[in-house]
Amino acid sequence: QSALTQPASVSGSLGQSITISCTGSASDVRGYNYVSWYQKHPGKAPKLIIYDVRKRPSGVSDRFSGSKSGYTASLTISGLQAEDEADYYCCSYTSVGLFYVLFGGGTKVTVL
Amino acid sequence: DVQLLESGGGRVKPGESLRLSCAASGFAFSSYNMNWVRQTPGKGLEWVSSISSGGNYVFYRDSVRGRFTISRDDAKMSLYLQMDNVRAEDAAMYFCASDKAGSVRTFDSWGLGTVVTVSS
Repeated sequence: QSALTQPASVSGSLGQSITISCTGSASDVRGYNYVSWYQKHPGKAPKLIIYDVRKRPSGVSDRFSGSKSGYTASLTISGLQAEDEADYYCCSYTSVGLFYVLFGGGTKVTVL
Repeated sequence: DVQLLESGGGRVKPGESLRLSCAASGFAFSSYNMNWVRQTPGKGLEWVSSISSGGNYVFYRDSVRGRFTISRDDAKMSLYLQMDNVRAEDAAMYFCASDKAGSVRTFDSWGLGTVVTVSS
């Protein structure tokens, strides 16, 4: 089964807002509200920043928000900061076969 | 604080075996589903395997099913991944991750990872 589709890169200036899309299918993103987003800095552990489409774990900045419309989930980072430069991955529950979850290919966020 | 510490990575030749371990602390390990996720060099995250709390249910991605075995020892608060007949495409950083309580198939806490290199 193919991975979820994310743009390879997104960039924005300090203080701006950016949105990363994550497109799937009826068997994953559209069918279930179990989309999560992870932030990954080089050499560090991935960090959960959004789960169940739009929920934020305790301690995660409210500059991060999630949403979903049809086959596409989105992560918005508002008030972009230098420390937001990282790779971001979406992930979704899938009902296809024996797959457990599907990850997106990842999006590199660059802060200009 | 939740801590997950992976170990056991190293360099192996194709066809050889390796056993990864993940030592957990700071949470009720036995109550949580646990997972292995890998990141291949220059590529993204890829789910590998999951085990339910109690160990009754296990899941594998197609490419590792029949070669990898996930297990857990709740008394030792440890998760394992036995990797047999390793292939070049298994080379990656392997992370263990705990499920998030109250959600479904959400990876809450992660370790720093252990590197598996496959080279003849």
